[in-house]
Amino acid sequence: GAGVSQSPSNKVTEKGKDVELRCDPISGHTALYWYRQSLGQGLEFLIYFQGNSAPDKSGLPSDRFSAERTGGSVSTLTIQRTQQEDSAVYLCASSLAAGGPQHFGDGTRLSIL
Amino acid sequence: KQEVTQIPAALSVPEGENLVLNCSFTDSAIYNLQWFRQDPGKGLTSLLLIQSSQREQTSGRLNASLDKSSGRSTLYIAASQPGDSATYLCAVGLSGNTGKLIFGQGTTLQVKP
Repeated sequence: GAGVSQSPSNKVTEKGKDVELRCDPISGHTALYWYRQSLGQGLEFLIYFQGNSAPDKSGLPSDRFSAERTGGSVSTLTIQRTQQEDSAVYLCASSLAAGGPQHFGDGTRLSIL
Repeated sequence: KQEVTQIPAALSVPEGENLVLNCSFTDSAIYNLQWFRQDPGKGLTSLLLIQSSQREQTSGRLNASLDKSSGRSTLYIAASQPGDSATYLCAVGLSGNTGKLIFGQGTTLQVKP
C-alpha cells in the first residue's frame, strides 16, 4: 500500500505474555520511528532506525522492550513479560530521510489485562 | 531537556472563525518543527513542516510560523470548518538530524456547524 501499515490494529493479552508489533514503512523510506501514545504521557519517542541499525534507542523504557528492522524495511517491536503500564497505542512512522516529514501508521492499540 | 507545551488544551469555535493554536518549546536548538492532525482512533497526519531556518509555511487554509529565538510556533487556521475538528499536535525535531520528535500534549479543536 501507499502508507505506513501496522499490525495488529488491536492486541489484548495477559500480563506476563510477550507481544510482537509489526510496522511496514512506506517503500523507499530509510528512516523508521516507533512512538508510544498513552493517556498520561502523551506521545513519546521510543526508537529510531536508519536502515537496519538503531542509532537512537534512548526512549525504550526498559530492557523488556526491543526492536529490530530487517532488509531496510519491516520493523518489529517486541515487549517481553508485559505489564499493565505497557497498555498504550504504539505508533510507527517512516520518512524518506531522517529529518524529513514523518508519515504515521494508524497504530496498534495494546491492552494488558 | 526539550519540553513542548501547547495552549489551549481544548478549543471550541463556531464554523467560519479564524483561529490560532500555540506551541512553545524550551530549547531553541531545534532542527525543525512539525504540526500534525490526529483524528480519533487514527494515526497522525503531517500538516506542515518548518525547517529551523524558515519563518513560516503555508498550505491551503493553514499557516504555521516559527520564532526560534522566543521558542514559539503558531498554527493559524482560516475560515474553520467542522471537518477541521481533530487534535492538533506540535512536534519539535531535535538537532542532530535523527528526526526524533518531541511532542506537545495537543490541542483538541471542535468546530461547531
